[in-house]
Amino acid sequence: DTGVSQNPRHKITKRGQNVTFRCDPISEHNRLYWYRQTLGQGPEFLTYFQNEAQLEKSRLLSDRFSAERPKGSFSTLEIQRTEQGDSAMYLCASSLENRGNTEAFFGQGTRLTVV
Amino acid sequence: GDSVTQMEGPVTLSEEAFLTINCTYTATGYPSLFWYVQYPGEGLQLLLKATKADDKGSNKGFEATYRKETTSFHLEKGSVQVSDSAVYFCALRRGQGAQKLVFGQGTRLTINP
Repeated sequence: DTGVSQNPRHKITKRGQNVTFRCDPISEHNRLYWYRQTLGQGPEFLTYFQNEAQLEKSRLLSDRFSAERPKGSFSTLEIQRTEQGDSAMYLCASSLENRGNTEAFFGQGTRLTVV
Repeated sequence: GDSVTQMEGPVTLSEEAFLTINCTYTATGYPSLFWYVQYPGEGLQLLLKATKADDKGSNKGFEATYRKETTSFHLEKGSVQVSDSAVYFCALRRGQGAQKLVFGQGTRLTINP
């Protein structure tokens, strides 16, 4: 399977705990995006990387959130001191920038439940 | 800021019915417009797109035309099937240099046999 892979698929955590999600993009895709989707809403942009550089962060990304893409391949999204409001589906997408003609491919997401 | 508004769901139709899901947008400049589909248990998939005014995107029998004068990108299909049951998202990306997609809230479509 050469699609975008996200792990874990589901995560249940207690309030106050830290969680980390992983995203493996399509091989050779230079751009990687994180989105958050709450129930009944469309995905909301969180941040994106061009290779290993984090180029844009949404105001939704509070200081409890941090994302990395250390070698320009996989990425991790960490949430510290989780709150119930963090419960959502976290989506990763990747694309190959090619003269502005890009298509973002999405993973199946990691569903986070904070209890 | 940029925004996308979709018709509220859920939408329930019988097989072979005509489908329209309305989508309007607010954005500066000339955004690219997209329809994504999310089948049960799967990730978002690009259904179709249009990058400039009057372009028509089409795929799997679905069509949408980029209407700049009405800032709309309505999704249509002439004869829906049970397998079209999914959640449909309209989205925009502002210009070639911008990276993020701005999504509407999604419309859940159920097709009954």
